[in-house]
Amino acid sequence: AQSVSQHNHHVILSEAASLELGCNYSYGGTVNLFWYVQYPGQHLQLLLKYFSGDPLVKGIKGFEAEFIKSKFSFNLRKPSVQWSDTAEYFCAVTPTSGTYKYIFGTGTRLKVLA
Amino acid sequence: GAVVSQHPSWVICKSGTSVKIECRSLDFQATTMFWYRQFPKQSLMLMATSNEGSKATYEQGVEKDKFLINHASLTLSTLTVTSAHPEDSSFYICSARVAGGPNTQYFGPGTRLTVL
Repeated sequence: AQSVSQHNHHVILSEAASLELGCNYSYGGTVNLFWYVQYPGQHLQLLLKYFSGDPLVKGIKGFEAEFIKSKFSFNLRKPSVQWSDTAEYFCAVTPTSGTYKYIFGTGTRLKVLA
Repeated sequence: GAVVSQHPSWVICKSGTSVKIECRSLDFQATTMFWYRQFPKQSLMLMATSNEGSKATYEQGVEKDKFLINHASLTLSTLTVTSAHPEDSSFYICSARVAGGPNTQYFGPGTRLTVL
């Protein structure tokens, strides 16, 4: 069965620290990959996505993610976090064809201390 | 661009009543919309896929007679929770995919349903 794992459920960092959130998926075919962010009280916003090409994708607000096909991973990174990055982060995967349904990870709650 | 709205943002109803939630794509057409349910501190659970002009496709375990979905136009999908019970209290989120566009979903702000 298809699944997405986010290993870090809660992360607490100080401002300026570097961030890496793990995302691994289980699916035998070609996938599109996404990271969404949900700030407190707000809706999910797309941070970045990978469809094809350069496996290192850059998104908004200084975030980037690297697709490593051999590891079925799509980890999210930011070199220096800010207090305003406090939010919940969701990784999502969808097959490149068919139903376009997303499979979401369980989410990682990030708290950045000022 | 690619803005999705939901109405209402929150609703409180009595047990046994029905509640309708609207999901609109404001600046694009969406042949496919999705309805999710999010429990506190948990991820999004896909309930159903709504296709314009056809019946919705429900995920396993989701009662289609309880959660009625209608996708009557390219910009509007509705979710009606029929005969609501306290266990239906949750945060309901819709998303929409741009018709003919890349495989990317844009999410609405969600609707908080509380059933007393």
